[in-house]
Amino acid sequence: SQTIHQWPATLVQPVGSPLSLECTVEGTSNPNLYWYRQAAGRGLQLLFYSVGIGQISSEVPQNLSASRPQDRQFILSSKKLLLSDSGFYLCAWSEYRAYEQYFGPGTRLTVT
Amino acid sequence: RKEVEQDPGPFNVPEGATVAFNCTYSNSASQSFFWYRQDCRKEPKLLMSVYSSGNEDGRFTAQLNRASQYISLLIRDSKLSDSATYLCVVNTNAGKSTFGDGTTLTVKP
Repeated sequence: SQTIHQWPATLVQPVGSPLSLECTVEGTSNPNLYWYRQAAGRGLQLLFYSVGIGQISSEVPQNLSASRPQDRQFILSSKKLLLSDSGFYLCAWSEYRAYEQYFGPGTRLTVT
Repeated sequence: RKEVEQDPGPFNVPEGATVAFNCTYSNSASQSFFWYRQDCRKEPKLLMSVYSSGNEDGRFTAQLNRASQYISLLIRDSKLSDSATYLCVVNTNAGKSTFGDGTTLTVKP
């Protein structure tokens, strides 16, 4: 069966510090991968999605970036965090050309 | 106007009640539709897909009305464990999904 991992579960970082969140999927090949952010009490905002290694589409211009160095690995990064980057970051996967998405446990980021 | 709109609620219902949520979408080219459930401070989990013919899974029934561009979720015989936020999701292609902000349900004893 498929499993999706995210780490860390929680993170407190000062403004201006870098960020690296990692997501890995097991039990499937060539998945679509997604990064979402959810602000407190709000819906999910799609940040990036990827249909293959090195193929990243950005949905929202901001100080975040994403990379997919391996088929089942998706990384979200920032060089300098802003207060507005605080939120619940969720990684998700779907089968290639499928619509159903499955989420990892998320990383709760607080920028202070 | 948002691409996907939901009544945020909260819906407060007693155990055993029937409750329905609606979700409207603006893009007539939307192709697939889902309901997700999200518990407090947890990740969303796929609840069910929504088809034009309607589909049922136990106490849950989902319907799609393409002409009016809305989807619905009906929960019968509500349980305390149904308390959560319900998110509707609309897809226009396999690479992008748009989530509603969610409807919060609280089922009380």
